[in-house]
Amino acid sequence: KNEVEQSPQNLTAQEGEFITINCSYSVGISALHWLQQHPGGGIVSLFMLSSGKKKHGRLIATINIQEKHSSLHITASHPRDSAVYICAVANTDKLIFGTGTRLQVFP
Amino acid sequence: EPEVTQTPSHQVTQMGQEVILRCVPISNHLYFYWYRQILGQKVEFLVSFYNNEISEKSEIFDDQFSVERPDGSNFTLKIRSTKLEDSAMYFCASKYLGGSETQYFGPGTRLLVL
Repeated sequence: KNEVEQSPQNLTAQEGEFITINCSYSVGISALHWLQQHPGGGIVSLFMLSSGKKKHGRLIATINIQEKHSSLHITASHPRDSAVYICAVANTDKLIFGTGTRLQVFP
Repeated sequence: EPEVTQTPSHQVTQMGQEVILRCVPISNHLYFYWYRQILGQKVEFLVSFYNNEISEKSEIFDDQFSVERPDGSNFTLKIRSTKLEDSAMYFCASKYLGGSETQYFGPGTRLLVL
């Protein structure tokens, strides 16, 4: 069983739609990260959370430590948001990654 | 803005050859990491490095792998005798402090073993 599970695996949306990506984990963590990976392969850190909620522009990330669950929301989605979104948990000093959610936003 | 850099961006090698992947972490960072991503799969942790020694390594990081920080700027991953299954994207990452800090990723080196 994967230590970090994401859903859905693939997601398509029309421009302007509200998007939610979910992440559940089964290990002890010190923090949870949301990352973005573009088709070229580069990885960019979006958020690091250890509790509550964070907002950056149209992106919102929440975490519920008791339920071992986090969500990434994108409001007013845009085609440039198309990418793979990855949840990763910090366990000891390393990151354990989920399999990612491939998002495609169509105009 | 400071960034992690990696060279080469792509490398093709023959099975059994040694490869060295190079990374230049952000200059004041103290913690360094290598991850890999086999095509179509999730990113996997290989090794973490702090204070000139390995602090943690995964089962993937066997005797064929080694890491080094030969000077104040470079952080290298060496694969002694490459196998076909070593073909992957290799990412270097660094962070300033221990614990829950953001890791900054390099752009990756795509390694193809033939």
